[in-house]
Amino acid sequence: DTGVSQNPRHKITKRGQNVTFRCDPISEHNRLYWYRQTLGQGPEFLTYFQNEAQLEKSRLLSDRFSAERPKGSFSTLEIQRTEQGDSAMYLCASSPSRVALKKNEQYFGPGTRLTVT
Amino acid sequence: AQSVTQLGSHVSVSEGALVLLRCNYSSSVPPYLFWYVQYPNQGLQLLLKYTSAATLVKGINGFEAEFKKSETSFHLTKPSAHMSDAAEYFCAVSEGFGNEKLTFGTGTRLTIIP
Repeated sequence: DTGVSQNPRHKITKRGQNVTFRCDPISEHNRLYWYRQTLGQGPEFLTYFQNEAQLEKSRLLSDRFSAERPKGSFSTLEIQRTEQGDSAMYLCASSPSRVALKKNEQYFGPGTRLTVT
Repeated sequence: AQSVTQLGSHVSVSEGALVLLRCNYSSSVPPYLFWYVQYPNQGLQLLLKYTSAATLVKGINGFEAEFKKSETSFHLTKPSAHMSDAAEYFCAVSEGFGNEKLTFGTGTRLTIIP
């Protein structure tokens, strides 16, 4: 396993700009999750996919946020019209659903740190 | 709804001393419980998990945790702290059974005193 990768690792943007982050899960992991972590807090669930289907979205995911996983492999998270309150670490995780012993284990990427100025 | 409470946002222990990080959970269904560790500017690494098998769970790096249903607790322990254990630790709960989103606590920063 090469692990979950996220790009970019850091993003600085001006308020009002759009940003897009990418997550590449561990190959053959069919579940993919996005979380947001602000300073001094634990990660908060945003959304998750099983293959290409987006199965759940948190109330935290306003209409400025959109996530896709078009071919059931990598995923993108886009934030439109960024606000200073969007500054956070955005974490991606993936998990297998078929390997019984490893079910429910989420493997996290290093995160993308977003700073909105 | 699920929730996790981690008592003590900061814990300091001397190198070689017992590490005890506290976690209490609330869940309407039998929970799956996890401990993750986060080093600065890195993602989260799974230490151990409880998924309704043995109540005493052993994880990586010498950590273990005990699920106590009567106390709704899942405290993390390590008999002898190492300097490399300094990090942020998060307890998390999920409902499992296909609803596997994690609900995290606010974390405990562990400092090791030489």
